[in-house]
Amino acid sequence: GENVEQHPSTLSVQEGDSAVIKCTYSDSASNYFPWYKQELGKGPQLIIDIRSNVGEKKDQRIAVTLNKTAKHFSLHITETQPEDSAVYFCAASSGGTSYGKLTFGQGTILTVHP
Amino acid sequence: ETGVTQTPRHLVMGMTNKKSLKCEQHLGHNAMYWYKQSAKKPLELMFVYSLEERVENNSVPSRFSPECPNSSHLFLHLHTLQPEDSALYLCASSQEVQDTQYFGPGTRLTVL
Repeated sequence: GENVEQHPSTLSVQEGDSAVIKCTYSDSASNYFPWYKQELGKGPQLIIDIRSNVGEKKDQRIAVTLNKTAKHFSLHITETQPEDSAVYFCAASSGGTSYGKLTFGQGTILTVHP
Repeated sequence: ETGVTQTPRHLVMGMTNKKSLKCEQHLGHNAMYWYKQSAKKPLELMFVYSLEERVENNSVPSRFSPECPNSSHLFLHLHTLQPEDSALYLCASSQEVQDTQYFGPGTRLTVL
């Protein structure tokens, strides 16, 4: 089955700096890669996603890049703000007969210091 | 809010109790999911329903019993749980099983 590794497990940055979180996956058939943000006491919220026919996607301060050859994808947050502090999860899905099964990474605790 | 609600938000139960978790989605989606989130572990998919039919049971113990009476509601019936079942149980929904999943706030379950 699919295996997703996420690094780093914790990330601490100063406000205004950039933050990068990286994930690798094992199943070359995976074709959908969402990123979720989870704040304390809340469920994961989708912040951006990318499909395998695209190499990069950007939404304001957030961007995701995908390297299918190397089987890794990354989340980039620029001009970080204290409200970006949360746990971030990457996930991968291979579609097909996997019935939308998302395999999640272990999560990254991001702390943005004012 | 994502349009997915879960009740109760917190639940404490003994190992011999029977309880149920409820999820409701107001998005008109056809697929619904149960996940388990334990400390220091990735989210684990438990069950997937598509148009009220269970399409995936991810090797979950029988003490967890899902029910999907219609495409808007999903239940997780709990009986004779173990302390290691204490976790955050998350419900999600998507338009179809291959589409983006939207999560509810979760039910924090503690088994004594």
